[in-house]
Amino acid sequence: DAGVIQSPRHEVTEMGQEVTLRCKPISGHDYLFWYRQTMMRGLELLIYFNNNVPIDDSGMPEDRFSAKMPNASFSTLKIQPSEPRDSAVYFCASTWDRGPQHFGDGTRLSIL
Amino acid sequence: DQQVKQNSPSLSVQEGRISILNCDYTNSMFDYFLWYKKYPAEGPTFLISISSIKDKNEDGRFTVFLNKSAKHLSLHIVPSQPGDSAVYFCAGGGSEKLVFGKGTKLTVNP
Repeated sequence: DAGVIQSPRHEVTEMGQEVTLRCKPISGHDYLFWYRQTMMRGLELLIYFNNNVPIDDSGMPEDRFSAKMPNASFSTLKIQPSEPRDSAVYFCASTWDRGPQHFGDGTRLSIL
Repeated sequence: DQQVKQNSPSLSVQEGRISILNCDYTNSMFDYFLWYKKYPAEGPTFLISISSIKDKNEDGRFTVFLNKSAKHLSLHIVPSQPGDSAVYFCAGGGSEKLVFGKGTKLTVNP
C-alpha cells in the first residue's frame, strides 16, 4: 500500500511568493497532521485534521499560514507571503484511530 | 517549554554492542510514548511504542522501558547494527497529538 505522499520534495522560491505544499494521506486514515522541522525547534505540530475537519491549529505560526483538507485524500499547506524564516522541512503524517502516525518524506522549503 | 527532552544530541556505539537512547518528559498527561527512526531525506518511521500503564515493551532487537516516577523512557537496541545508524525521536501523546523530542543521532560503527 502506498505511504503518505508529499509534493514537491524540494521548493526554492523568493520571499513574498505564495508557497503551496501538498499531501496525500494513506487511504482509510482519518487523521492528518502537518509538522515543521527546524534545527532550533525540532519537529513541531502545526495543525491537524480529523475526518477532513481542522481540530487544532494552535501550532500555526502566523496568519500567513493556512491549511485545508477538501477531501479525505488531499490536503494543502499554504504560506502567503513567504519569508526566509519559513525555510524548513515540512512533513505530513496520517493515522487511523490514534494509531502510530505515518510520515511522508517531507518538503524541503527554502525561501530566499 | 520543552515537554519532551532528548539530552544527548548524538551517540556512537560499536556494532554488536547495546545502544541506549534516553528521553525525559514533563507532561504527566501523556498516556503513551513512541520512538521513531529517521534516515536523511526521509520521513520519520515508527519503531516501537509503550502505554503508560506498562513499564516495558519489546519488539525483536528493540526494547522500550518506561519509568513513570522519574518521567523517563529509554530505547535499547541489542545488538546494534550499522543499519541502525539514524536519528531517533521519542514522542509523548495524550490525545491524537504527539510532542516530539529533538532527536538523538545514533552512529553504529562496523
